[in-house]
Order: sequence, then structure tokens, then C-alpha cells
Amino acid sequence: GENVEQHPSTLSVQEGDSAVIKCTYSDSASNYFPWYKQELGKRPQLIIDIRSNVGEKKDQRIAVTLNKTAKHFSLHITETQPEDSAVYFCAASTSNTGKLIFGQGTTLQVKP
Amino acid sequence: SAVISQKPSRDICQRGTSLTIQCQVDSQVTMMFWYRQQPGQSLTLIATANQGSEATYESGFVIDKFPISRPNLTFSTLTVSNMSPEDSSIYLCSVEASGDEQFFGPGTRLTVL
Repeated sequence: GENVEQHPSTLSVQEGDSAVIKCTYSDSASNYFPWYKQELGKRPQLIIDIRSNVGEKKDQRIAVTLNKTAKHFSLHITETQPEDSAVYFCAASTSNTGKLIFGQGTTLQVKP
Repeated sequence: SAVISQKPSRDICQRGTSLTIQCQVDSQVTMMFWYRQQPGQSLTLIATANQGSEATYESGFVIDKFPISRPNLTFSTLTVSNMSPEDSSIYLCSVEASGDEQFFGPGTRLTVL
């Protein structure tokens, strides 16, 4: 079955710097790759996603890139702010099942 | 996006008992899922709740332990049966909205003593 690996497990940056989180997946049939942000005690919130027919997607300060050949995708956050501090999860799924397989999570700390 | 609610939001239970968690959505959705998030861990899919038929369970999860009902397109329940302290987790339902986007309920924090 699908396996998703996520790195790093923790990431600490200064406010204003960029942060990059990377994920790799194993199932070449996966075609949908969402990213979730989870603040302490809250539900995971979908922040951005990408489909396999697209190489890059941007939404203000966040962007996601996908390399289908290498089976990896990355989340990029620019101009980080303290409110970006949270746990970030990548996931992968195939459209016909909808089943999300999650990475292990990255705890991002943005220092003011 | 859909508005998703779960009941209860948290509970403390004795080992050997069962707890049923409800998930309600404000619109009809085809796909509903149940996930478990153990303390400090990632999310693990328990099963897909199928409307009108038996749920589809992932490896490591069985119907006797986690029976699921899906009587209609807006509601599902997950029961955690014969609980042990290892079942202490957050249980989340999710729904697939337009396209592949999936949104989560607020979760049920379960503590088993």
C-alpha cells in the first residue's frame, strides 16, 4: 500500500525566513496531494493541495511543488510569521478511493 | 466547505466499555472517513464509511472493534468497543467535498482509564 515519508520532523526558523517541508510517496497511482496545518488542540485544516497534472501551485505565501518522476512533493512557506507555528502534515491519495495516507508530520516553530 | 460536527467532543471511559462517536455534516456527501490520531502522532485511516453497505476497513482495524454505521449521506457513527488504555486517542471524521478536498470534524478526544 501507499507509504508517505515526511521530513524534517521539526523545523525552527526566524520570523521572515522561508520554511520547506518535503514528502515522498511510494504509490505511483497517487494523484492528489494535500497539505494540512494543525494547531494545538484543533482539527487539521487544509491549506493547499496539488494534483498530479500540475507541477506547482501557489497561494499567497505558501506554495507546493510536485515531482511525479521522483515521487516527491514539497511545501514552501515564505516570509514566515509566528502564527505559522503549527504541525504540518502532507498526505497522498488516489481519486477513486479518497483515502488519505498521511506523513508523520513536521512541527514548525517560527521565532519572533 | 461543509460544516462538520462531532459528539461527544471528549470523554473519559473505563476499560472494557464502549463509546459511540457521532459525525454530522450539514450537506449530503458521498465519501466519509474515520481517522485516529494517537497522542503526538499523525493521522491513521480507520475505515471508509459507506452509505447503505458495510464500512471498508484498513489493515489493522476490524469491524468487531470499530463498528461503523452510515445510515444516510449526512451522518455516521464510529463505536470503539471493549476499550483499553491503548485506545486513548483523538478520533476524527472527515468528508470529501468537491473534487478531492477532504475536511475534518473537530475530533473526539477519548481517554480510557
